[in-house]
Amino acid sequence: EAGVTQSPTHLIKTRGQQATLRCSPISGHTSVYWYQQALGLGLQFLLWYDEGEERNRGNFPPRFSGRQFPNYSSELNVNALELEDSALYLCASSLTGYNSPLHFGNGTRLTVT
Amino acid sequence: GENVEQHPSTLSVQEGDSAVIKCTYSDSASNYFPWYKQELGKRPQLIIDIRSNVGEKKDQRIAVTLNKTAKHFSLHITETQPEDSAVYFCAASKGYSTLTFGKGTMLLVSP
Repeated sequence: EAGVTQSPTHLIKTRGQQATLRCSPISGHTSVYWYQQALGLGLQFLLWYDEGEERNRGNFPPRFSGRQFPNYSSELNVNALELEDSALYLCASSLTGYNSPLHFGNGTRLTVT
Repeated sequence: GENVEQHPSTLSVQEGDSAVIKCTYSDSASNYFPWYKQELGKRPQLIIDIRSNVGEKKDQRIAVTLNKTAKHFSLHITETQPEDSAVYFCAASKGYSTLTFGKGTMLLVSP
């Protein structure tokens, strides 16, 4: 069984630009979650998508947005990049959104210069 | 919303010793409590989880206990090995909702 895949592995952008990160969940999983992990910090919840709909949003500004496609893959968009957006962005999927274990991808390392 | 507190933030033990990491949660309706291990430079991986209808669960050297009355749960690792060194995250959720994670515990196991 293929795991959660994320692309790209690394992404370097300059301040003010836009970044697009992509995630493919495990086959059969309908829920996709996005987390931000800044250096030395914990897992900060960004967004949750299930069955194509945004189900919950963390405490992040509106320039963080995303969507889930009919095949359950997802993308995270970050507009007007700021230096403090530099972090590891982790995508996770679960079979359902009801108390299901999360399976994480390897993440996208975003660096904003 | 749910708030999960995790202690200690760092824990150093000698190989062979036991390690205990504790978490408290605020929402009495939470009913699912997983633990994740994140090795340096790698993704978090589920190591064990427990649901509110169970008080304890074991998997080889790892065990988790849950006290619903006190709203706390703990991870116990026995006979620690250097490969147990990692950051451990506890989390809690209820029903159709997102997991709330603790801030993590860095466990260092010295040979």
